[in-house]
Amino acid sequence: EPEVTQTPSHQVTQMGQEVILRCVPISNHLYFYWYRQILGQKVEFLVSFYNNEISEKSEIFDDQFSVERPDGSNFTLKIRSTKLEDSAMYFCASSEAMSGDLFGEQYFGPGTRLTVT
Amino acid sequence: AQKITQTQPGMFVQEKEAVTLDCTYDTSDPSYGLFWYKQPSSGEMIFLIYQGSYDQQNATEGRYSLNFQKARKSANLVISASQLGDSAMYFCAMREVNTNAGKSTFGDGTTLTVKP
Repeated sequence: EPEVTQTPSHQVTQMGQEVILRCVPISNHLYFYWYRQILGQKVEFLVSFYNNEISEKSEIFDDQFSVERPDGSNFTLKIRSTKLEDSAMYFCASSEAMSGDLFGEQYFGPGTRLTVT
Repeated sequence: AQKITQTQPGMFVQEKEAVTLDCTYDTSDPSYGLFWYKQPSSGEMIFLIYQGSYDQQNATEGRYSLNFQKARKSANLVISASQLGDSAMYFCAMREVNTNAGKSTFGDGTTLTVKP
């Protein structure tokens, strides 16, 4: 069964450092997403990406964050200068489509646990 | 206003019994999907079941069924014959097609504990 993969599974970084979280979405999917989940809290939307551009972003996704699809397979989330409050689980997700008869499952990766010290 | 409301922070169920996890939603988009995910203590999000807003019948996937009441805007998850491995956090989520670029909006979750 196809799956979304994410690396690393756990990243520890110092406050102020840049981190890049990597995701490989399912190969025929067109829509890509990043979510985060602070420990014990709900999953929050960060950004959606389609056709090589951001289609929507939340208030959380400020200038410290950026996303990129550098090649045909990877989808990355960069945090330029990490803060303590960026510590969370970051989930990548992808879906084949979002409307009509194809509207269906959004596949989530296993997550990257980011710890900022 | 909350788009997804899960009113049960924690639920307990006896092994082999059925349990219903509540979810209500709010949207003005006529085209949307409702999803349930399981998150075990290991942290991954496991897709369980999906219901589209135009689906006439309630979705079922093995021991999982979704009690979809469109007029009440509720999408409750029913787990039949609970197993110890069902102990986890359960999230209800919604995707609105026309208004939110397909992003998922999640509820606060319900922690389910299955007792032996």
